[in-house]
Amino acid sequence: SQKIEQNSEALNIQEGKTATLTCNYTNYSPAYLQWYRQDPGRGPVFLLLIRENEKEKRKERLKVTFDTTLKQSLFHITASQPADSATYLCALDEGNTDKLIFGTGTRLQVFP
Amino acid sequence: NAGVMQNPRHLVRRRGQEARLRCSPMKGHSHVYWYRQLPEEGLKFMVYLQKENIIDESGMPKERFSAEFPKEGPSILRIQQVVRGDSAAYFCASSRLGLRTTDTQYFGPGTRLTVL
Repeated sequence: SQKIEQNSEALNIQEGKTATLTCNYTNYSPAYLQWYRQDPGRGPVFLLLIRENEKEKRKERLKVTFDTTLKQSLFHITASQPADSATYLCALDEGNTDKLIFGTGTRLQVFP
Repeated sequence: NAGVMQNPRHLVRRRGQEARLRCSPMKGHSHVYWYRQLPEEGLKFMVYLQKENIIDESGMPKERFSAEFPKEGPSILRIQQVVRGDSAAYFCASSRLGLRTTDTQYFGPGTRLTVL
C-alpha cells in the first residue's frame, strides 16, 4: 500500500542546534516533494519544493534533501530558534495528477 | 494582495443539518483545492476544482459532500446531513497554475467544523 511516514513523536531540541526531520514514502514515484510548516489553528505554509532530479535545496536556514533510491527526504533547520517551533509536513504528488498527498507531520519544539 | 480567505472560521452544526464552507482564492488564482484534517491526522485531499469545473473529486465521500467553484463568487464545500464524524478542520488552498506545473499552493486559515 502507499504510505508517507513522518516521525509522529515530537522532536525537542535546544536553540542553536540543527533540527532534522524525516519523510519516508513507499509505493509512490513522485516528481517532486514539498515541505510545509503548520502552526496550531492555522493553515500550512509552503516552505520548499525539491524535484526528483535534485539532490538538495537550500533556503536561508533550511535545507532539504531528496533520495529517490531510499525514498526519503530529510528536512534540516540550522541554528534553530524557538520561533521555529511548529509542525512540519511533507507532501508529494501522486504522479501526473494535481493532487498532493501529505504526511501526518512532525512537531518540532525548540527550547531556549 | 489578500491571501486565501475562508469563512466561517468556526462552524457549529447539529447532526442532520447542512454545513456550507466558503473559500475565496488569492487574486489571479483559478485552481482551488479542498482538504480535511482530522485531529492527529494529516491533511487529506478531497477535491480539486477550476472555475466551473470539478477536475478531481477522488478524495471526497460519494454521499452528502459536494463542491463547486462558480464563475463568480467563492468556492463552496457543502456537507449535507452532517454527522459527528464530519467534525474536522477543512482547509482550502489555491494556485495560479495546476500542481503538475509544481506551482505553489497557498492555504487559507481553515474552517473548524464541530458537529454536536
